[in-house]
Amino acid sequence: EVQVLESGGDLVQPGGSLRLSCVVSGFSLNNYGMAWVRQVPGKGLEWVSVIHVGGGSTNYADSVKGRFTISRDNSKDTVYLQMNSLRADDTAVYYCAIAPRNGWDLLFFDYWGQGTLLTVSS
Amino acid sequence: VMTQSPATLSVSPGERVILSCRASQSVGTKLAWYQQKSGQAPRLLIGGASTRATGISGRFSGSGSGTEFTLIISSLQSEDFAVYYCQQYNEWPLTFGGGTKVEI
Repeated sequence: EVQVLESGGDLVQPGGSLRLSCVVSGFSLNNYGMAWVRQVPGKGLEWVSVIHVGGGSTNYADSVKGRFTISRDNSKDTVYLQMNSLRADDTAVYYCAIAPRNGWDLLFFDYWGQGTLLTVSS
Repeated sequence: VMTQSPATLSVSPGERVILSCRASQSVGTKLAWYQQKSGQAPRLLIGGASTRATGISGRFSGSGSGTEFTLIISSLQSEDFAVYYCQQYNEWPLTFGGGTKVEI
């Protein structure tokens, strides 16, 4: 059974930093894509960032470009999201999601974690 | 930009439900549909505009290409009351529609 587990969500002050982690078990990430998708409670889904686990290619939404960095540790089947210069509008539940197919152009997501909540507030 | 309509749909169990998703420019068939129940993560229903994901009931079907897409639930069951999102993966940034809430 594939399990996706996010962690690291917390209450952070504006301008602060935080790192989210996503650990995958029961599944070999191989050359697949892993993404972070966020959701303000009660609102819709917003794609944040994606990484190609094999090659390391990355991409970001304009709203986080230059502030967030996605990375992976293949030995630990873990993907990270380093978030700097946090703003109130970054407050959301952050989901980790997996696109289990060999194609950078096939980025839709079969497996999702339960999410971790980031609150940015003073 | 992905636009879903209607925003809310009030239906009764057993009814046939048609949800719409429109893209501001062609995405080919690079369109996925997700279901999200309250307090849960999204669940993939459809990829490639019309291919059901593993384990998804045959009462869910997707169609369309280019800019117009449809998700049909042939006979709504109680467990289908949820919010449904479409997502395009044809170009960056990956984008989701605003969702359609299917309620009783």
